[in-house]
Amino acid sequence: GAVVSQHPSRVICKSGTSVKIECRSLDFQATTMFWYRQFPKKSLMLMATSNEGSKATYEQGVEKDKFLINHASLTLSTLTVTSAHPEDSSFYICSARGDSAPNYGYTFGSGTRLTVV
Amino acid sequence: KQEVTQIPAALSVPEGENLVLNCSFTDSAIYNLQWFRQDPGKGLTSLLLIQSSQREQTSGRLNASLDKSSGRSTLYIAASQPGDSATYLCAVSGDYKLSFGAGTTVTVRA
Repeated sequence: GAVVSQHPSRVICKSGTSVKIECRSLDFQATTMFWYRQFPKKSLMLMATSNEGSKATYEQGVEKDKFLINHASLTLSTLTVTSAHPEDSSFYICSARGDSAPNYGYTFGSGTRLTVV
Repeated sequence: KQEVTQIPAALSVPEGENLVLNCSFTDSAIYNLQWFRQDPGKGLTSLLLIQSSQREQTSGRLNASLDKSSGRSTLYIAASQPGDSATYLCAVSGDYKLSFGAGTTVTVRA
């Protein structure tokens, strides 16, 4: 089945530094990838939609200069949290949607736990 | 804007009992509905995908139904096991985005 690999699974960084999270579709091409943020015991909040070869579309209230998204190929999207602060600590999850059968559904990565100290 | 509601928020049952998880959505113009499982601190695992033209999908002990006109889906898990303990999320796909419910956290007691 469709597999999405997300790295790193866990990262601790100092306040003011930047962190890059990678999301790869391993066995299918994904023209569209999505980045979510999840707060403790809450559901997923869509942050942005990443389209291969074009600018990402950010949801209302998400700072595009803080959360930089790059989707340079059909199998890789990256999220960079710039100048991270403790309030950016969260669980970030990516997902990819296959555009051809049987991948009509969405496949999710295993998530990245970001802790900013 | 699509609103997805999951009831109950939490459920605790003894091992062997059947589980019934409910999901409702406000906009019936969906492409598909997907049920996911999330273990603590982990990503989402897709359980079942129901296309908008389908009424149900089955996989092993899992069965999900979809009534698009009434905006409802139900996930049935037969003969629950302690390993079924997790949070179950329902998500509907409209245009290209997924809208998630808040989830039902299930605990199966041995």
